[in-house]
Amino acid sequence: GAVVSQHPSRVICKSGTSVKIECRSLDFQATTMFWYRQFPKKSLMLMATSNEGSKATYEQGVEKDKFLINHASLTLSTLTVTSAHPEDSSFYICSARESYGETQYFGPGTRLLVL
Amino acid sequence: GENVEQHPSTLSVQEGDSAVIKCTYSDSASNYFPWYKQELGKGPQLIIDIRSNVGEKKDQRIAVTLNKTAKHFSLHITETQPEDSAVYFCAASWTNSGYSTLTFGKGTMLLVSP
Repeated sequence: GAVVSQHPSRVICKSGTSVKIECRSLDFQATTMFWYRQFPKKSLMLMATSNEGSKATYEQGVEKDKFLINHASLTLSTLTVTSAHPEDSSFYICSARESYGETQYFGPGTRLLVL
Repeated sequence: GENVEQHPSTLSVQEGDSAVIKCTYSDSASNYFPWYKQELGKGPQLIIDIRSNVGEKKDQRIAVTLNKTAKHFSLHITETQPEDSAVYFCAASWTNSGYSTLTFGKGTMLLVSP
């Protein structure tokens, strides 16, 4: 149980285009989902907290207009990187927390490369 | 906000040896402490967690201890195997009415040599 999927697993795009990443909780309902960014050999950096049916809460320094988050259902959250640039290249990981729990279960991550 | 320090940053052991990773946290209100294992190119996988009302928890070769007074917690892996090689992250969070976020340590790269 407690499986979280992400799609796509890796994506290559041209500078200036937008990329959408999906995060799904497969066998549980997640009121809250989180989006992280991870640089090589570094720890996870929380970008935003996504609550079903409400606006996401962004961490300081994260541009909300750059990283659009939608959490329309209890099993799906999406992150859209708008007008991507090479500096947005990174490993993006989502996690989901059960509605009445505190444990976060992570997805497998999405490797984004912007050319 | 919460700050989590993790040591060591790298740890090399021989197969069969034990490995210990230590973390300290700053916020005495933190009450949930998970440990994650991350293999190269993959997402973190929860391996064990402990809550502040418990001092120790064990799951086969893995154990976690918590000292609330000193605000530190440790991961113990016994009889290490090459497949234990990965990056391990500790984290701390404070939960109130369903709201909480995890603060992660910087990670420990564990290398188990055959």
